[in-house]
Amino acid sequence: DVKVTQSSRYLVKRTGEKVFLECVQDMDHENMFWYRQDPGLGLRLIYFSYDVKMKEKGDIPEGYSVSREKKERFSLILESASTNQTSMYLCASSLLMDEQFFGPGTRLTVL
Amino acid sequence: AQRVTQPEKLLSVFKGAPVELKCNYSYSGSPELFWYVQYSRQRLQLLLRHISRESIKGFTADLNKGETSFHLKKPFAQEEDSAMYYCALLGGSEKLVFGKGTKLTVNP
Repeated sequence: DVKVTQSSRYLVKRTGEKVFLECVQDMDHENMFWYRQDPGLGLRLIYFSYDVKMKEKGDIPEGYSVSREKKERFSLILESASTNQTSMYLCASSLLMDEQFFGPGTRLTVL
Repeated sequence: AQRVTQPEKLLSVFKGAPVELKCNYSYSGSPELFWYVQYSRQRLQLLLRHISRESIKGFTADLNKGETSFHLKKPFAQEEDSAMYYCALLGGSEKLVFGKGTKLTVNP
């Protein structure tokens, strides 16, 4: 069974803190993605990676960075969290660039 | 530019009524289109894709290239269909572009 896990379901951080969101998949997928999901705005792609140590900017990369040191793990980093980064963050993986398998999401609140 | 438009943020129907969730896309090439669904407190998952031409949970969607649409339909809605639905396009950029979603509520 396909499995994508995210390190936290809920996270509360303060403005200016460095935040790490971790995502792990056990399907040996090449491609991994980070989205943020906001009411009325849908899913917006932050970054994606199609191979280890490779990364591509999505539609809203500002304020974020990513790391992919191992195939199964894709990390999203908020260098200095701000209140406008309060959101639901979804990780996904895919073998081909079509069906994506999503994690349960991390609801991040920045105070 | 690739774009997906879901014109309805909210859609409410009664159980047993037909339901249609609208999706229009903008893409000059041959797109692949998908519908994803997120039930309450569950993860986002693929519902169906146009190339498979299959019916999942009673839902169907036909790609209409002339109208650049990929509407999702079900003849008789059930309460368990209440969810958030996203239409998505895979075009030349090799990444999925999602619409903003439609929240479907099926009332008893």
